Amino acid sequence: GAGVSQSPSNKVTEKGKDVELRCDPISGHTALYWYRQSLGQGLEFLIYFQGNSAPDKSGLPSDRFSAERTGGSVSTLTIQRTQQEDSAVYLCASSLGLGSYTFGSGTRLTVV
Amino acid sequence: GIQVEQSPPDLILQEGANSTLRCNFSDSVNNLQWFHQNPWGQLINLFYIPSGTKQNGRLSATTVATERYSLLYISSSQTTDSGVYFCAVSFGNEKLTFGTGTRLTIIP
Repeated sequence: GAGVSQSPSNKVTEKGKDVELRCDPISGHTALYWYRQSLGQGLEFLIYFQGNSAPDKSGLPSDRFSAERTGGSVSTLTIQRTQQEDSAVYLCASSLGLGSYTFGSGTRLTVV
Repeated sequence: GIQVEQSPPDLILQEGANSTLRCNFSDSVNNLQWFHQNPWGQLINLFYIPSGTKQNGRLSATTVATERYSLLYISSSQTTDSGVYFCAVSFGNEKLTFGTGTRLTIIP
């Protein structure tokens, strides 16, 4: 597509439930990233996929968080047993080489 | 890991004024980007500038890699320039480390 598409745009979930967030990157972009932005804060790196290489999961805050990227395209970020501190905007970006970062509009997750 | 500091944290200006935003980073980088996050949360890539100077309309940026800082200049500011400006850096891969941003408010 023309841009990075994320869904849903908003998600309200009860504490303890699992959620799945989806990212559809720009066609042909080999790299895909997930970041998290808490209210009024900067962006916190979560996970990075580059081509067929093993993903860099060094930013995932706990084992409740996981992500996969199927067929080198669409990615899903899964949060199990959500907690209130997981509430944030989850941003996905894709790129094709340095400097071509393009962000999606994000998913605002609220855990109640 | 690399530390990124931005200043000032907040800036309020009258429409038409000029501004300079600063980004300091703690280690060598081969990737530095400036982003604008508009009031609706969308992040827009402004510049890829690991070194040197670039200009795009009323915006320009300069990075002095040897001294580990970058500057973003906004001239003749407009209300649409309001939002948060982030500097982000990396070395060796594309995983960016973001600063905490400068919140710019342009008053009509």
